[in-house]
Amino acid sequence: KQEVTQIPAALSVPEGENLVLNCSFTDSAIYNLQWFRQDPGKGLTSLLLIQSSQREQTSGRLNASLDKSSGRSTLYIAASQPGDSATYLCAVRSWETSGSRLTFGEGTQLTVNP
Amino acid sequence: GAGVSQSPSNKVTEKGKDVELRCDPISGHTALYWYRQRLGQGLEFLIYFQGNSAPDKSGLPSDRFSAERTGESVSTLTIQRTQQEDSAVYLCASSSQGGNYGYTFGSGTRLTVV
Repeated sequence: KQEVTQIPAALSVPEGENLVLNCSFTDSAIYNLQWFRQDPGKGLTSLLLIQSSQREQTSGRLNASLDKSSGRSTLYIAASQPGDSATYLCAVRSWETSGSRLTFGEGTQLTVNP
Repeated sequence: GAGVSQSPSNKVTEKGKDVELRCDPISGHTALYWYRQRLGQGLEFLIYFQGNSAPDKSGLPSDRFSAERTGESVSTLTIQRTQQEDSAVYLCASSSQGGNYGYTFGSGTRLTVV
């Protein structure tokens, strides 16, 4: 059974700092890995999607890497802003259930202080 | 439509009543998923529909929960005889067929059972 872990559970940084969020998964037989952002009381917004054959994806100040063999992904946020404050969720789409299910981590709650 | 639409956005119901939640997926998306998120917790898989195949109901927590989807269109999640522990945000997501695609989530329905 696929299990996804995110570290740290919470992170508070001053504005302008570069930061890294970590995600690990137990079964490397994955289709892809997706990073989401969730604001309080809202749904999930997709940030980056990395296919199993890719090593990284970039969008603006965000960069996500994937090391499938070691079961790890990182989300790098450059020059953080207060508007980046949210919960960041890592989700893996895996072979376990015929590629039909995302397994989510518990999330990292990020606070960027002005 | 342009995104995944869920209705209602908020629902308050009395314990013991039945409720029906609706999800309109993105047009052309063959896969549809329901997740539950209790306050302060991670996402819990409920059910998955893929085209005309039999749905994966393995995440439904009890026989009070059921879901339907006609073809590749709207899905409804029904909770019978609601209990206070059913209070949560119910999220719907859709995806194109195939493991290479990511998920798009709706804004969710916040259910409160009083």
